[in-house]
Amino acid sequence: DGGITQSPKYLFRKEGQNVTLSCEQNLNHDAMYWYRQDPGQGLRLIYYSQIVNDFQKGDIAEGYSVSREKKESFPLTVTSAQKNPTAFYLCASSPQGARGYGYTFGSGTRLTVV
Amino acid sequence: AQRVTQPEKLLSVFKGAPVELKCNYSYSGSPELFWYVQYSRQRLQLLLRHISRESIKGFTADLNKGETSFHLKKPFAQEEDSAMYYCALSIMEYGNKLVFGAGTILRVKS
Repeated sequence: DGGITQSPKYLFRKEGQNVTLSCEQNLNHDAMYWYRQDPGQGLRLIYYSQIVNDFQKGDIAEGYSVSREKKESFPLTVTSAQKNPTAFYLCASSPQGARGYGYTFGSGTRLTVV
Repeated sequence: AQRVTQPEKLLSVFKGAPVELKCNYSYSGSPELFWYVQYSRQRLQLLLRHISRESIKGFTADLNKGETSFHLKKPFAQEEDSAMYYCALSIMEYGNKLVFGAGTILRVKS
């Protein structure tokens, strides 16, 4: 069953900790994306990767880091430098260069700072 | 700058009434636009894209380049249409990067 899997579904982080959100896809898509979803602000792009071992900053990359060592995986690390990390995080993927294709989304990870 | 504007945070209609969710965009290139929907407790999913000119679940959307709009319409709303709707614009200069609007909650009342 093809799709995108995000884990964990819920994550709690203490102040000053780094946490890593997992995103795995078996759709053979080249491009992967991380968005942050906040009420009233829509989805804002954090990082994206169009090919293995390459990624670019999105609109709100500060306090986040990513890696793309495998085509299937695009983990997001929320560092202690991120001032307001409590949010819903969505991972997505699409075929490379397919502007009209749209994205396939994961089910999301809700991160809460305690 | 590229921008997508959805002016209504919440749209509330009665079952059977027509629905129009507004979306305006700002982009100097050739636009490709999408509507995504998020039902309660479900993942965000693609509803329709302008290049395919399709009708999904009774919804249609026409790209109006003169008015830079891509409004989502349905002639008769159903209760199961209640959801969050996002309009999104594909940015050619960055591969398939999507810029999303803030979203509109559609509530269909019985």
